[in-house]
Amino acid sequence: DTGVSQDPRHKITKRGQNVTFRCDPISEHNRLYWYRQTLGQGPEFLTYFQNEAQLEKSRLLSDRFSAERPKGSFSTLEIQRTEQGDSAMYLCASRQDLTGRETQYFGPGTRLLVL
Amino acid sequence: GENVEQHPSTLSVQEGDSAVIKCTYSDSASNYFPWYKQELGKRPQLIIDIRSNVGEKKDQRIAVTLNKTAKHFSLHITETQPEDSAVYFCAATSNAGGTSYGKLTFGQGTILTVHP
Repeated sequence: DTGVSQDPRHKITKRGQNVTFRCDPISEHNRLYWYRQTLGQGPEFLTYFQNEAQLEKSRLLSDRFSAERPKGSFSTLEIQRTEQGDSAMYLCASRQDLTGRETQYFGPGTRLLVL
Repeated sequence: GENVEQHPSTLSVQEGDSAVIKCTYSDSASNYFPWYKQELGKRPQLIIDIRSNVGEKKDQRIAVTLNKTAKHFSLHITETQPEDSAVYFCAATSNAGGTSYGKLTFGQGTILTVHP
């Protein structure tokens, strides 16, 4: 399967702990997006990378959140000092950087539960 | 920023009927409108998309229409089947370049149930 992959698929943690998620995009895709989806809602944009550069961050991304894409391939999203309100599905998506190739392909997501 | 409203939130139809889901957007710069289907516990998957330079696009039983003047677009599913049951999301984005990085703004979703 050459689609977008994410790891882990599920994470249960206690409030105050740090967690890190990984996303591996489709190999030729240089655009990578992180979204958060809560139950019954559509995904909400968190941050965007073009190659290794983080070019946009949502207001939703508090200073407890940090994302990296060090070599322009995989990306990590870290949440420090987790809170119960961080419980959600964290989705990664990637796409090509070409006109006419706007489709974003989503990974299976990491479901986070903060106790 | 962009705001996308989606209606209805739930839609129940009999197998073989048609289903229509409507979305409105606020940013006139938006020029790409995808529709995603998400089954329970699964990733969102693109089912159809439309760009602002066309008014309608069809793919077998699925069609999307776009009215740029009114800033609304709709998903039409004909001859519905039980396997069409899922949550459907519309989205909008601008791929105009510059600082338009193509982030998607999603609607709230429509739970479609197709009864056999």
